[in-house]
Parts: sequence; C-alpha cells; structure tokens
Amino acid sequence: QVQLQESGSGLVKPSETLSLTCTVSGGSISGDSASSDSYYWGCIRQPPGKGPEWIGHIDSSGSTNFNPSLKSRVTISVATSKNQFSVKLSSVTAADTAMYYCATIETKYNLSPGSVSLGQGTLVTVSS
Amino acid sequence: QSVLTQPPSASGTPGQRVTISCSGSISNIGSNYVYWYQQVPGTAPKLLIFRNKHRSSGVPDRFSGSKAGTSASLDISGLRSEDEAVYFCSAWDDSLGGHVVFGGGTNLTVL
Repeated sequence: QVQLQESGSGLVKPSETLSLTCTVSGGSISGDSASSDSYYWGCIRQPPGKGPEWIGHIDSSGSTNFNPSLKSRVTISVATSKNQFSVKLSSVTAADTAMYYCATIETKYNLSPGSVSLGQGTLVTVSS
Repeated sequence: QSVLTQPPSASGTPGQRVTISCSGSISNIGSNYVYWYQQVPGTAPKLLIFRNKHRSSGVPDRFSGSKAGTSASLDISGLRSEDEAVYFCSAWDDSLGGHVVFGGGTNLTVL
C-alpha cells in the first residue's frame, strides 16, 4: 500500500513561498510503473476548523490540474529518482495557514476512483 | 465554501441512531462514488466508507453509507462515546478537468 510522508517548513513569512515535499513509499511514482497509473499525486489542505480543500494534483504523465482559486500560485513537480513530488505555493498570506497533506487520489484505473489517502500532514503557519 | 454540503453539527445520546447527510450535484455525487472520513482532533481524516457503502477494514457495522441521486448519507447506529468526531464526505468531480471535492464536515457530539 502506498504511503506518503510530508516534509517542509512549518513557518512561512507573508509573500514568501511555501514548499512541501512528499516522499512516496510502497509504490513508484515513475510513469512506467503499474502503481503510477493508479494514482494522482496531490495536495490537500485543511484550515483550522474547516473542511479539506483540494489544492491540485499531477498524474503519471506529468499533467497537472489545480484548484482555480490557487492556480496562479501553485506548482507541483515530480522527482522520479527520489520517488518524491513537491508542492509550492507562492505569495502566501495568513489565509494560507492550514494543515497541508500529501495525497494520493485513486484514478479510474483503480478499484476506488476518487478515494483519497493522506499522509500525516504538516502544519504550515504564515506569519511574520 | 465547500462544494459538498453537510450539516455543521449533529448529536445523539448513547445507543441512538444518527444520520449525516451530504448533498452535491450531477458532476460529483451524481456521477461518482462517495467516500466518508472520520477525523478525531489532531489527526488526519481516516477513511470510513468507500465506494458509497463499503466499510473500511476495522470499521464496525454500526456505520453504514448510502447514496441516492446527488445525495449521500452516513448512518451511525448504537451511538457510542468514541464516535464523537468530525465526519467528512468526498467525491470525484468531473468538472474543471477532474478533481476531488469535500464537504465542510459535520461535528458529531455524543451527549
């Protein structure tokens, strides 16, 4: 079973860039593996006291899709040799303070398309 | 504002039955599976129900899910104190190139 572990800075200053690295275990993120076609690799965030929000995801071919409200500020990229993917959110404000989760989202090639599995999460606070 | 609509709170006494609703649209619940997650404070949401009605491993049969049209429900029977948590629904949404959407969560209190 694929598992995810987040790493990144817990405190980010306003206007700076939030960086999150997601390390994948129990499966391969590379485009030539069976497990890669089964998942989108993405990021979900949850502001304090609110519901989860999809930030975006990348598929095995490198195609990305982002939440329209964040699209101008988000990038997701894959480091195949490290079996990792990274999420960057630029020009952050206090409204970006949230728990950030690395996520796998099952694709239509998997048994439960749309099912989301999360890492443990990392709390990111935007403050000067 | 969340794409899927849930009541913000629900409550019941031990032994009672509680139902939590989740309302969406044709592009999400109406066309795709619904998933339910349980979140205890300080932890990540845990998958409770998958593909509308199937319980994840270890989830007691007091929990059941159903879907009809563009709405879904989570039923909890024989309510217990350890069921106190926040419950979220989610589904794939076919719009905007395809993405996952969530409800705002229902805070369940066991009185």
